[in-house]
Amino acid sequence: DTGVSQDPRHKITKRGQNVTFRCDPISEHNRLYWYRQTLGQGPEFLTYFQNEAQLEKSRLLSDRFSAERPKGSFSTLEIQRTEQGDSAMYLCASSLKLGTSGNNEQFFGPGTRLTVL
Amino acid sequence: AQSVAQPEDQVNVAEGNPLTVKCTYSVSGNPYLFWYVQYPNRGLQFLLKYITGDNLVKGSYGFEAEFNKSQTSFHLKKPSALVSDSALYFCAVRDDTGFQKLVFGTGTRLLVSP
Repeated sequence: DTGVSQDPRHKITKRGQNVTFRCDPISEHNRLYWYRQTLGQGPEFLTYFQNEAQLEKSRLLSDRFSAERPKGSFSTLEIQRTEQGDSAMYLCASSLKLGTSGNNEQFFGPGTRLTVL
Repeated sequence: AQSVAQPEDQVNVAEGNPLTVKCTYSVSGNPYLFWYVQYPNRGLQFLLKYITGDNLVKGSYGFEAEFNKSQTSFHLKKPSALVSDSALYFCAVRDDTGFQKLVFGTGTRLLVSP
């Protein structure tokens, strides 16, 4: 399967702990996105990378959240000092920018479900 | 700011009947519109998109959507529903200002009965 992969698929942690999620995009895709989805809601945008550069960040991305894409391939999303309100599905997506065309669809991974106790 | 409205939490249709899932949007520039489907415990799967051109867009699994600029709508349609089409459907929009984030609706659950 050459789609977007995410690890782990599930994470249960205690409030106050740090967690890190990994996303591996489709290999030739140069754009990578993180979204958060809570029950009964659509995904909400968190941040976006083009290659290794983080170009957009949502106000949802508080100081406790940090994302990296150090070599322009995989990405990590870290949440420090987790809170119960952080419980959600964290989705990663990737897309390909070719030349001046920026309208390609985003392909989503299966998500990491975070439960903060 | 962009926004998407999916006015129906759930749509019920009998197998073999046509289905429509409604979506309206608001953007400041020209819209780029997308439909995704989500099955339980899985990520979102891309169905189709409207960027420019023909107002009727055809996508995966026999789905199509009609872009209506005057009504700011992008309704998802299928001529003949299958039980396997039962899932959660999301409409999403972004504008043409260069920002890449997608803004999603709250989703519509489609239930196709045998």
